[in-house]
Amino acid sequence: DVKVTQSSRYLVKRTGEKVFLECVQDMDHENMFWYRQDPGLGLRLIYFSYDVKMKEKGDIPEGYSVSREKKERFSLILESASTNQTSMYLCASRGGQGLSGNTIYFGEGSWLTVV
Amino acid sequence: AQSVAQPEDQVNVAEGNPLTVKCTYSVSGNPYLFWYVQYPNRGLQFLLKYITGDNLVKGSYGFEAEFNKSQTSFHLKKPSALVSDSALYFCAVSEYSWGKLQFGAGTQVVVTP
Repeated sequence: DVKVTQSSRYLVKRTGEKVFLECVQDMDHENMFWYRQDPGLGLRLIYFSYDVKMKEKGDIPEGYSVSREKKERFSLILESASTNQTSMYLCASRGGQGLSGNTIYFGEGSWLTVV
Repeated sequence: AQSVAQPEDQVNVAEGNPLTVKCTYSVSGNPYLFWYVQYPNRGLQFLLKYITGDNLVKGSYGFEAEFNKSQTSFHLKKPSALVSDSALYFCAVSEYSWGKLQFGAGTQVVVTP
């Protein structure tokens, strides 16, 4: 089974803090994604990465950055957290071959509260 | 541009009755369509996908979905709902095989005993 692990399930941070959300996948997938989920808005793509050191902006990249130094790890960074970034953050990965091709697999999510 | 609509915020159904969750999409080319389910405080779990081939796709937990190109729809169905099917369901579409997924807003399914 594909395993996407988000190291922090629940975080509480103060306004202005720098926040790191970490994600690791164990299936050697090339593609990785960060989504934000808010009630009534569904999932919105923040950033994605097609391969190591490659990144592209999604639909709502403002206030966020990402890092992908190794294939298995994709980090989301909030440079200066704000209260409107309180949300559920979902990491996902997608492989290229076999039965799992095209399918995006999600982690359990990280609930971030900014106070 | 691609888009997906889930017209119902919530679907209520009695246990044992058929369950349908609606999804319509818009893409410029051939669609790649997915259904995911989310249980409370959990990530999204993949249910099924349509890439090409048969219009009726079978997936996990007894769910299936019917692709209708003329109506640009991909409705999720289950012949006999269980209380444990109560969850949030998301439809998603992509224009390309390896493109970005566009998600709908989600439909809350409530199955009552």
